Amino acid sequence: NAGVTQTPKFQVLKTGQSMTLQCAQDMNHEYMSWYRQDPGMGLRLIHYSVGAGITDQGEVPNGYNVSRSTTEDFPLRLLSAAPSQTSVYFCASSYSGGGTIQETQYFGPGTRLLVL
Amino acid sequence: AQSVAQPEDQVNVAEGNPLTVKCTYSVSGNPYLFWYVQYPNRGLQFLLKYITGDNLVKGSYGFEAEFNKSQTSFHLKKPSALVSDSALYFCAVRGYNNDMRFGAGTRLTVKP
Repeated sequence: NAGVTQTPKFQVLKTGQSMTLQCAQDMNHEYMSWYRQDPGMGLRLIHYSVGAGITDQGEVPNGYNVSRSTTEDFPLRLLSAAPSQTSVYFCASSYSGGGTIQETQYFGPGTRLLVL
Repeated sequence: AQSVAQPEDQVNVAEGNPLTVKCTYSVSGNPYLFWYVQYPNRGLQFLLKYITGDNLVKGSYGFEAEFNKSQTSFHLKKPSALVSDSALYFCAVRGYNNDMRFGAGTRLTVKP
C-alpha cells in the first residue's frame, strides 16, 4: 500500500492564481480531510469528507473548495490564491465505518505552498 | 466546538530522564483523544489514542498517556527519553461530528 499520497510536494503561486492540491489513498478509507499547518498554530482543519459525495467544512474553510467523487481521491482547490494561504498542507484519511470517530488518521507527506 | 491546549511550546529533557508533554482538552460528550508526532519535513505519525477503558494508554515507541477526566488532561509520558524522541508532538481531540482539532504542538528536545 502506498498509503496517503499528495502532489505536488512544493508549489509557488502568484496572488490570484488557482491550483488543485491532489490527495489519494489506497486503504479504502471513508474519512478524508485537509489541514493546514502554520507555525505556532498547529494543524487546522480546512474541509473533511465522511464518504464519496459528502463533504463538510472544518475550522478554516474560506478560500478553499473540495469535492469527493471517489473514495480514493480528495482534491483541495484554491480558486484565487492569497499570500495568507502560504502554508504546509496535509491530507489525512481514516476508517469511518458506521460513523465511528475513534479511528486513527493516516497523514500524507504534505504539500508546501508559497503564494507571492 | 472541541479544543485542546498544549501549554508548553518547548520541553527539554536529558537522555535517560522521564519526559512529560502536557495536554488539556475541552469537548462536549465523550472525548476521543490522540497523540501524534512529527519529524522534520514529514507528515504526522500516530502514537496513541484514548477512546474508552483504562486511563493509562500505551502506544508506539514506548510512549504512554494518562487520561484524567477530572482535570481534563491527557499528558504524554515516557519513562526514559531518547535523543531520537526529539520531534514536534501534537495532541488532538475528535468531536462527535468528526471534526478533529489539534493543539499548537510542543517541541521536545532530548539532549545527550
